[in-house]
Amino acid sequence: GAVVSQHPSRVICKSGTSVKIECRSLDFQATTMFWYRQFPKQSLMLMATSNEGSKATYEQGVEKDKFLINHASLTLSTLTVTSAHPEDSSFYICSAALSRGQETQYFGPGTRLLVL
Amino acid sequence: AQSVAQPEDQVNVAEGNPLTVKCTYSVSGNPYLFWYVQYPNRGLQFLLKYITGDNLVKGSYGFEAEFNKSQTSFHLKKPSALVSDSALYFCAVKPVNNFNKFYFGSGTKLNVKP
Repeated sequence: GAVVSQHPSRVICKSGTSVKIECRSLDFQATTMFWYRQFPKQSLMLMATSNEGSKATYEQGVEKDKFLINHASLTLSTLTVTSAHPEDSSFYICSAALSRGQETQYFGPGTRLLVL
Repeated sequence: AQSVAQPEDQVNVAEGNPLTVKCTYSVSGNPYLFWYVQYPNRGLQFLLKYITGDNLVKGSYGFEAEFNKSQTSFHLKKPSALVSDSALYFCAVKPVNNFNKFYFGSGTKLNVKP
């Protein structure tokens, strides 16, 4: 149980284009989903927290107009990287919690984004 | 400031030997403590957690972790390492006053040699 999927697993795009990454909870409803970014050989950096039906809460330093998050249903959250630049190239990981405040987060397999 | 420290970037052990991956934290209150494992180009897999109760927590794949409140540590252990345990291990801490916030350590790469 508690499986989280991400799509695509890997994407290459041209600079200036937008890329959408999907995060789905497959066998549970996730009130809260989280988006992380991981640089090579580094830890995870929380970008934003999204709650179903409300606006995402972004961490300090994360541009909300560049990283658009939509949590339209209890099983789907999307992250759109707008006007991508090479420095946006990274590994993006989502996670989901069964309910607000639920202590364990379940992580997706990650999406490798390469911006040329 | 809240922080999680994994003092070793890398731990090398021989297969069959016991392993320890260290984690200490500086978080207010009595936080929840977690260990996750990450294989190359994959997301994080949950290993175990400490919420309350017995200081020794048993988790997946034969791993266990010991909570030490006085030392604010939560070291990951396994009595006998396997080559397949080679991966990146993250300690994470969740403050009880902010359930949506996870603080991750920098990760420790475990290398188990045959």
